[in-house]
Amino acid sequence: EVQLVGSGGGLVQPGRSLRLSCAASGLIFRSYWMSWVRQAPGKGLEWVANISPDGSEEYYVDSVKGRFTISRDNAENSLYLQMNSLRVEDTAVFYCVARSSSRHYWGQGTLVTVSS
Amino acid sequence: DVVLTQSPLSLPVTLGQPASISCMSSQSLVHSDGNTYVNWFLQRPGQSPRRLIYKVSNRESGVPDRFSGSGSATYFTLKVNRVEPEDLGVYYCMQGTHWPWTFGQGTRVEVK
Repeated sequence: EVQLVGSGGGLVQPGRSLRLSCAASGLIFRSYWMSWVRQAPGKGLEWVANISPDGSEEYYVDSVKGRFTISRDNAENSLYLQMNSLRVEDTAVFYCVARSSSRHYWGQGTLVTVSS
Repeated sequence: DVVLTQSPLSLPVTLGQPASISCMSSQSLVHSDGNTYVNWFLQRPGQSPRRLIYKVSNRESGVPDRFSGSGSATYFTLKVNRVEPEDLGVYYCMQGTHWPWTFGQGTRVEVK
């Protein structure tokens, strides 16, 4: 069974930093593109960032470019999202997603609340 | 960015009856590799989204065959032959052709 377990969320003040983690099991992690997708409370979905299986390619939505960094450790089967200069509008549930050509797996989500 | 417009945004259904959701794109979703990367997701209340359909019409493993996707270029449709209780929730179309990938606003499917 594939499991993607997110952690690291919480309450943080505007301008501060937070690092999200996603621990993967039940799949060949190093073969999958990995992504972060977020959902503001009561709102729709926004695709935030992608990273290639070997970590050589990264893609970001404009609203987080320069502030967020996606990374992975294939030896530890883990995905990360370093979030700096957080804004109130970054408040959301963050999902990690594992993608292949024919399969999608989503984690349970971790809540990030940015508030003073 | 590509804008996806879903309709309707709210869909009251009768269990056992069919349902259909449309998704219109602001530009063609045909990729330079010839594929059209349109996905459909269902998010049940309190759960993570689950992909149902990929590349317009391919069902994800384990998705019942009452779900079907169709369309081309800028207009896409998700159909459910007979709505079951576990089909209730919010449906999203999503394009993976042009970065940044984007979602439609969501269509809430609930019992009439």
